[in-house]
Amino acid sequence: KNEVEQSPQNLTAQEGEFITINCSYSVGISALHWLQQHPGGGIVSLFMLSSGKKKHGRLIATINIQEKHSSLHITASHPRDSAVYICAVIFNTDKLIFGTGTRLQVFP
Amino acid sequence: NAGVMQNPRHLVRRRGQEARLRCSPMKGHSHVYWYRQLPEEGLKFMVYLQKENIIDESGMPKERFSAEFPKEGPSILRIQQVVRGDSAAYFCASLGQGGGTDTQYFGPGTRLTVL
Repeated sequence: KNEVEQSPQNLTAQEGEFITINCSYSVGISALHWLQQHPGGGIVSLFMLSSGKKKHGRLIATINIQEKHSSLHITASHPRDSAVYICAVIFNTDKLIFGTGTRLQVFP
Repeated sequence: NAGVMQNPRHLVRRRGQEARLRCSPMKGHSHVYWYRQLPEEGLKFMVYLQKENIIDESGMPKERFSAEFPKEGPSILRIQQVVRGDSAAYFCASLGQGGGTDTQYFGPGTRLTVL
């Protein structure tokens, strides 16, 4: 059983739609990361959270420590947002444990 | 201000050869992680190194794989006697200090193909 679960696995949207990707994990963590992997394969760190909410442009990430759940929201989605979005957590060591990723396609 | 650099970006090896993957962390960063992404699979942790020390190698296969991060120069992930199952994208990430609360900056990855 994967310690980090993401949903949905695949997501398609029309340009302009509001998008939510969910991540849940099994035990207490010290931090949670949201990453973006583009079709070319490069990985970009979007957010690192240990509590609350963070916003960067059209991206918003929230985390609920009690419920062991985080969400990544994209407002006014655009085709260039098409990528794989990966949730990764740090438990009691420094290494990242990754979710399986959510493949997002935004159509014009 | 260069980011994390990895080379080569693409590496082709025949079965039985050795593969050496290099990772130069961001300037001032002394912590490096290596991750592997098998085709159609998620990222998996391999090893965590600080300068001259292996901190956690619990994700490394027991044989043929080794990693180092010398005092001078890049971190190197070495795969001896490669097999087809080693074909994957290998990413490194660096951060300035450990503790789990720092952002990890990823390199562009090395795509290893074993023929």
